[in-house]
Formats: sequence, C-alpha cells, structure tokens
Amino acid sequence: RKEVEQDPGPFNVPEGATVAFNCTYSNSASQSFFWYRQDCRKEPKLLMSVYSSGNEDGRFTAQLNRASQYISLLIRDSKLSDSATYLCVVNPMDSSYKLIFGSGTRLLVRP
Amino acid sequence: DVKVTQSSRYLVKRTGEKVFLECVQDMDHENMFWYRQDPGLGLRLIYFSYDVKMKEKGDIPEGYSVSREKKERFSLILESASTNQTSMYLCASNRGDVAGGYTFGSGTRLTVV
Repeated sequence: RKEVEQDPGPFNVPEGATVAFNCTYSNSASQSFFWYRQDCRKEPKLLMSVYSSGNEDGRFTAQLNRASQYISLLIRDSKLSDSATYLCVVNPMDSSYKLIFGSGTRLLVRP
Repeated sequence: DVKVTQSSRYLVKRTGEKVFLECVQDMDHENMFWYRQDPGLGLRLIYFSYDVKMKEKGDIPEGYSVSREKKERFSLILESASTNQTSMYLCASNRGDVAGGYTFGSGTRLTVV
C-alpha cells in the first residue's frame, strides 16, 4: 500500500463549479500535511498547509481527518487557472524534514 | 526573489555515461533534496542532505550518489546512466523543518538513450 494515495483523475469541471479531492495516508503517526500545486511541466509549489482545525485561503479549504486518515481539498468557484495537478503531501513522524508526496490529482476546468 | 536553480532544463545522455545534475539555492537552507518524478509514481526521494558533507539515502538511492561540499550546492550523480533513469529530476530545499514546505527548482528532464 502506498503511503499517500490519491485519485489520479482527471476531474473535469466547468468554471464556477465546486470540486473536492481526497487523499488518504497510511501512517497514523504522520505529523504535518500539505497540498501542493503542479502545473504542466513545472515544479510543485506549496498551495497550503493543512491544520487539524482546518485551513481556508480564499476559494480553497483544506481539512484533516485524523481518525480516518484522510485530507481533503475543496475548491469553490473554479477558475480556468485552477487547472493543474494537486499533490497531497505528508510528513511522516520519523523525520522532521522529509515529505512523502502523493501521485497527484489532475484537475481540468473548462469554460 | 529566493530560488532553487537547477543547472539544466533538458539533458540527453548515453547509456553508461556519468551524469552530474547540479542544484544551487540562495536561501541559506540547511536541507536539500533530490527527487525523481515519473507518471503514476509521483515524486520519489533519492537522497537528501541536512548539512554540508552530510547525506542520507532516500527511498530509491540505487544507481545514484550525491555531493554537498558547500551549503548552497547539492549535486546528484548518476554513476553509469541507464535508460530506466530517464525521468524528471527535481531538487528542493527547506530551512530546517517542514513547516514551510519545500522550495523546488524547475526540474531537469533527463533522457538516457
């Protein structure tokens, strides 16, 4: 079983739609969680951290469910520019600086 | 603008060649990482370094080595390139813990023929 699992998609949604991605992680002792965004042929960039209490940044909301070991990302009012691959990222407890990346969920926002 | 710079965007090398991928960061970060990214497999950690001259194996170190002689520079070495090392290679750094995530370089797409 992979340490971090994501639905690869693609999720194909119209502009203005709300879309949600989930990600599951296998190590219950994982400490920190993140969502990264990766545009085609570009490097990943930090989108947002995921806190136990949830985290909202404009149209983006991230949630953590430790009991079920999943993380979610909700995007409201999707824009064409949101088209990208979203990577779920986890920091395992055995390292203070190592991150484990999911394979990513691809989002396509159409006009 | 702080950044992580990888020396080459695209490289084509022959099987058996020794290949050097260079990465430089200007943020005075302690930690540096080399990942490779393949479709369906995501990013996989090859090696990382938490200090000058210090290195640790990641999940897939076989066929690779690294060098960190200066804090700002972390080099990935393919001792004898093989076709299964064709991939996107990403360098990253962070300051000392994961709270701020990583900063990535723009990647080197290596093709071994």
